[in-house]
Amino acid sequence: GAGVSQSPRYKVAKRGQDVALRCDPISGHVSLFWYQQALGQGPEFLTYFQNEAQLDKSGLPSDRFFAERPEGSVSTLKIQRTQQEDSAVYLCASSLVPSGPTEAFFGQGTRLTVV
Amino acid sequence: AQSVAQPEDQVNVAEGNPLTVKCTYSVSGNPYLFWYVQYPNRGLQFLLKYITGDNLVKGSYGFEAEFNKSQTSFHLKKPSALVSDSALYFCAVRDSYNQGGKLIFGQGTELSVKP
Repeated sequence: GAGVSQSPRYKVAKRGQDVALRCDPISGHVSLFWYQQALGQGPEFLTYFQNEAQLDKSGLPSDRFFAERPEGSVSTLKIQRTQQEDSAVYLCASSLVPSGPTEAFFGQGTRLTVV
Repeated sequence: AQSVAQPEDQVNVAEGNPLTVKCTYSVSGNPYLFWYVQYPNRGLQFLLKYITGDNLVKGSYGFEAEFNKSQTSFHLKKPSALVSDSALYFCAVRDSYNQGGKLIFGQGTELSVKP
């Protein structure tokens, strides 16, 4: 597709359930980012991949959060034992090259609600 | 530490009037600055960026932004607002020394343009 695609668009999880969120970046984009956007807030960085290598995971809030990009294209963000505070919109973004001032292109996000 | 401040939660403008959405930043190195717009239930859309050179940057949909190094500001402007410009606007900064492209976002400013 032409843009970044995320699925599902909406996810309701019971507290304690594991969830997996998928991101299909723009074809050929080397860099992939995950951000978390709480209601009424700006996006906050979670993690960054350059191809299949996870180079920065400093924003992951706990060890319940795990991300992978095994073949350097599609990425999955997994949240184990979900908590209510995990409720947010999870945004995926990709950019063509890892260096220089290239802009990132964002997907529509996955809205996660933990009940 | 890098940070972005958007001092106004909401900006109200009459259609046809000029608009300004304010942004100030803090970064240790040279900044790359970005503006994104978010429509309801949509992902972030790139508007414009400042890398270096001319302090006035022109972007999509008639928007422009002025970089002011001494005031560490990057205000978004448009000479004549449209009702369709109503949306949530985010300013973001990246340190040019930061490999990978992680963005630090402001809290967002809700722009409301009334007919």
